[in-house]
Amino acid sequence: EDQVTQSPEALRLQEGESSSLNCSYTVSGLRGLFWYRQDPGKGPEFLFTLYSAGEEKEKERLKATLTKKESFLHITAPKPEDSATYLCAVRHAGGTSYGKLTFGQGTILTVHP
Amino acid sequence: GAVVSQHPSRVICKSGTSVKIECRSLDFQATTMFWYRQFPKQSLMLMATSNEGSKATYEQGVEKDKFLINHASLTLSTLTVTSAHPEDSSFYICSAGVSNQPQHFGDGTRLSIL
Repeated sequence: EDQVTQSPEALRLQEGESSSLNCSYTVSGLRGLFWYRQDPGKGPEFLFTLYSAGEEKEKERLKATLTKKESFLHITAPKPEDSATYLCAVRHAGGTSYGKLTFGQGTILTVHP
Repeated sequence: GAVVSQHPSRVICKSGTSVKIECRSLDFQATTMFWYRQFPKQSLMLMATSNEGSKATYEQGVEKDKFLINHASLTLSTLTVTSAHPEDSSFYICSAGVSNQPQHFGDGTRLSIL
């Protein structure tokens, strides 16, 4: 059974204080690890897809990396508008041709000005 | 802009009412859509996979007679919560995707059953 564990559950940062979020996973036949951002009362917003160990993706202050067992979402010099819940999900070679996602519990990030 | 539209965004209704939620892919044809449920401060739990033109595949523990899914076209899937009760109150979110592209999510429907 696929498992995704995110840590920490909650992270409070001062504006400009860089940090990292962790996503540990076990999956049979990984077909992508996804990072999403979710604001309160909204659906998740797609950030990154990583497919193989060693891969990195960047977007503004965010950088996602992937190893065979975990992924990190690095946040450099965060701003208050980066406050959100960050979700990690894995897609495996499921029963359908388009594999379903298994989500972690999320990390609630709060950035104080 | 949003590529998946979900409607309504909020529903408040009496116990015993059936509620229909629509999920539309705006910029692409989605052969597969997914329906999730999210409780406060918890992550998304997949309820079912909706395939255009065929029966939905439900996750273990999800009652298919309770949560009716219809995917009649490549751009529209509907979730009907039949005879809803207070314990069905939750945040329901749909997603859609194409082939190996990332899933894009709607903005969710907050369902409150009185």
